Amino acid sequence: NAGVTQTPKFRILKIGQSMTLQCTQDMNHNYMYWYRQDPGMGLKLIYYSVGAGITDKGEVPNGYNVSRSTTEDFPLRLELAAPSQTSVYFCASSGLAGVDTQYFGPGTRLTVL
Amino acid sequence: AQKVTQAQTEISVVEKEDVTLDCVYETRDTTYYLFWYKQPPSGELVFLIRRNSFDEQNEISGRYSWNFQKSTSSFNFTITASQVVDSAVYFCALSHSGGGADGLTFGKGTHLIIQP
Repeated sequence: NAGVTQTPKFRILKIGQSMTLQCTQDMNHNYMYWYRQDPGMGLKLIYYSVGAGITDKGEVPNGYNVSRSTTEDFPLRLELAAPSQTSVYFCASSGLAGVDTQYFGPGTRLTVL
Repeated sequence: AQKVTQAQTEISVVEKEDVTLDCVYETRDTTYYLFWYKQPPSGELVFLIRRNSFDEQNEISGRYSWNFQKSTSSFNFTITASQVVDSAVYFCALSHSGGGADGLTFGKGTHLIIQP
């Protein structure tokens, strides 16, 4: 049982490039989340999903897109990367939305130059 | 709107001292959940505790204890006899139930430094 896994661990992008951050969970959780953590700040919600085929925006969705075709996977797509997207990205999952503990992946450190 | 305030940006203590990390929250929900997470230097987020709004009992787990006071909207975290391995950033977070799935609201974190 690996929990929540994320790839890659590190990535450097040039301005205007695109990439997909991968997130997979093996706990059969319905709820999945993407957060970003900027230096000295707490985490902010980018997008979330309540199940396969259903996604919704969080607090800071601009510049990102998500999809959820399976229960296990919740990729985050960055289109036209900008320096403001330099951050650490965390994926999380939970079994029962806000009432349940969210389990986090190890994070992806992204730098946009 | 929900808000979590961790007013202590950084705390530095000497090993074996007790230390309390403060967390104050704002919410209009009557049912909600509070969490503490630890982020060690390696960067992962480690779940420490979850507490629902109807349970105001204090909780103790080894050297860790949590004091939840609904009257002051606070959920403080105390480490007794601190150790160097406790050095980390600690986040307090808030969610709401009632079917809400829109993630957690995090405080900005408290960086705890335990000096040997």
